[in-house]
Amino acid sequence: DAGVTQSPTHLIKTRGQQVTLRCSPISGHKSVSWYQQVLGQGPQFIFQYYEKEERGRGNFPDRFSARQFPNYSSELNVNALLLGDSALYLCASSRQGQDSPLHFGNGTRLTVT
Amino acid sequence: KQEVTQIPAALSVPEGENLVLNCSFTDSAIYNLQWFRQDPGKGLTSLLLIQSSQREQTSGRLNASLDKSSGRSTLYIAASQPGDSATYLCAVPSGNTPLVFGKGTRLSVIA
Repeated sequence: DAGVTQSPTHLIKTRGQQVTLRCSPISGHKSVSWYQQVLGQGPQFIFQYYEKEERGRGNFPDRFSARQFPNYSSELNVNALLLGDSALYLCASSRQGQDSPLHFGNGTRLTVT
Repeated sequence: KQEVTQIPAALSVPEGENLVLNCSFTDSAIYNLQWFRQDPGKGLTSLLLIQSSQREQTSGRLNASLDKSSGRSTLYIAASQPGDSATYLCAVPSGNTPLVFGKGTRLSVIA
């Protein structure tokens, strides 16, 4: 089975622009969550979706939004990009329930100039 | 608010040594604890998941233990190899947050 796939792998944007990152979960996984990881830090939780409903939101501004589609894939949108949004954005999928392990993709490296 | 701390932040050992990475968490009401490996610029690879009812899990040269009451977990790596060089992260679920991560331990195994 394919793992969690994210696209694109790398992205360079200019301040003020908007970006959309995409994630396809492992087949059979209905939950997707998004994390931001800046250099030298652990990943920080942004959003979780389960069955197309938002289940959790981290401490990120309203410039960040996400959605989950009927096929359980997900998009993360960031508007009005700031230099500080430069990071590795990680997507993870899991089955359901808090005892299910999370499986991560390889991430999208976003650079804002 | 759950906080996860990992000590040491960095570790350098010669090949063949056994080593221990430490993880502590402030809220002991956890369902499980997961250890991950991250290579530079890459995603996270799940190494071990310990359910709250378990005390340890083993996979090959890796052994993870969990002491919920004291809010601690350790990852033991036996007979370290240069290929083990990576950042190791521990994480626990908390409320509506699927995982809260520590900052990781950066491990270098010198041949």
